[in-house]
Amino acid sequence: GAGVSQSPRYKVAKRGQDVALRCDPISGHVSLFWYQQALGQGPEFLTYFQNEAQLDKSGLPSDRFFAERPEGSVSTLKIQRTQQEDSAVYLCASSPGPSGGYNEQFFGPGTRLTVL
Amino acid sequence: QQQVKQSPQSLIVQKGGISIINCAYENTAFDYFPWYQQFPGKGPALLIAIRPDVSEKKEGRFTISFNKSAKQFSLHIMDSQPGDSATYFCAASIRGGSYIPTFGRGTSLIVHP
Repeated sequence: GAGVSQSPRYKVAKRGQDVALRCDPISGHVSLFWYQQALGQGPEFLTYFQNEAQLDKSGLPSDRFFAERPEGSVSTLKIQRTQQEDSAVYLCASSPGPSGGYNEQFFGPGTRLTVL
Repeated sequence: QQQVKQSPQSLIVQKGGISIINCAYENTAFDYFPWYQQFPGKGPALLIAIRPDVSEKKEGRFTISFNKSAKQFSLHIMDSQPGDSATYFCAASIRGGSYIPTFGRGTSLIVHP
């Protein structure tokens, strides 16, 4: 079956541009997570959705980062006025149940963002 | 502050050898410890996980050893194969919380044929 998909796979932006990254979770999965993975580092949590509700956005590094999941399925991570330090791989993950249990997270392949 | 410390950063072993990756944590509230495997260009995939009520869990060639008192856990890959070459991340989370895992920095494993 289809796993988590993300698009685009690669994005190059000039500093100051806005970007939008898309995540298509596994159908029916309740929970959706966004992570930022810098080169040579582990993923770092950005934000979490349960259905359409954004329950935790404590990891968003600044108010330039915004995420939404309006219908409880597809999610978009938007970064406004991109900076060079935003260059990273952005990973999306989904899990079948609500967070709080031992629900396995299924990761997408990520979007590699390069800000010039 | 890095809550989960992972070592070594890189590891090279010969085919058939044992690969050992270690992690240590500070937060005693952590109660779920998964290991993820990541190949280049792919997202991490859950490999094996352990809860603190057991000291060891084995799945095929992969074993997690857990030492609650020392707040340490490790991944052992027996009979390492070239196909095991990947980056491995340990993680820790709190089941009663948001279950959002805190990841280590990763270990790049290369298994020579």
